[in-house]
Amino acid sequence: KAGVTQTPRYLIKTRGQQVTLSCSPISGHRSVSWYQQTPGQGLQFLFEYFSETQRNKGNFPGRFSGRQFSNSRSEMNVSTLELGDSALYLCASSRSGQGALETQYFGPGTRLLVL
Amino acid sequence: QQQVKQSPQSLIVQKGGISIINCAYENTAFDYFPWYQQFPGKGPALLIAIRPDVSEKKEGRFTISFNKSAKQFSLHIMDSQPGDSATYFCAASIRFVAKTGANNLFFGTGTRLTVIP
Repeated sequence: KAGVTQTPRYLIKTRGQQVTLSCSPISGHRSVSWYQQTPGQGLQFLFEYFSETQRNKGNFPGRFSGRQFSNSRSEMNVSTLELGDSALYLCASSRSGQGALETQYFGPGTRLLVL
Repeated sequence: QQQVKQSPQSLIVQKGGISIINCAYENTAFDYFPWYQQFPGKGPALLIAIRPDVSEKKEGRFTISFNKSAKQFSLHIMDSQPGDSATYFCAASIRFVAKTGANNLFFGTGTRLTVIP
């Protein structure tokens, strides 16, 4: 079974631009979560999508948004990029997330550099 | 505000030694405590996890010790090997959030482990 895939793997943008990152969960997984990883702040939860609905949201500004499609694939968008948005963005999927927590499987991440 | 505090930030251990990483939390609603291992260029991978009704869980060379009253848990890597060199993250979660059914992981800041041959 293929793992979580993320595209692109690397991205360079300039301040003020916007960016869209993509995540394909493991087949059969319907819950997709996004995390931001930086050396200073570590791994921080951005949001979770389940059945095309945002079910949970972390403490990030509105410039960070996401969506999920009917095939469970998810995209994350960051508008008006700032230098501090440079980070590794990780996507994690789990089967359903209903009730008991299931194991979240992480993708390799998209490394975003904002110049 | 860091919900899960992790120490040490880095750790160097001789091959065959024991690596110990500690984590502490404040939110008593947390009821799921996984440890993740991350190699450079890869996403975190679940290593081992524990529920608070268990004081210890062992899987191969990896053991989680859990102290509910102290709100602390730790990862012990026995007979550490150079291949264990990676960054380790502890995490905590509430397995079921009322009404939303949502769940998300709160991670510690990570420990970079280096095992010297």
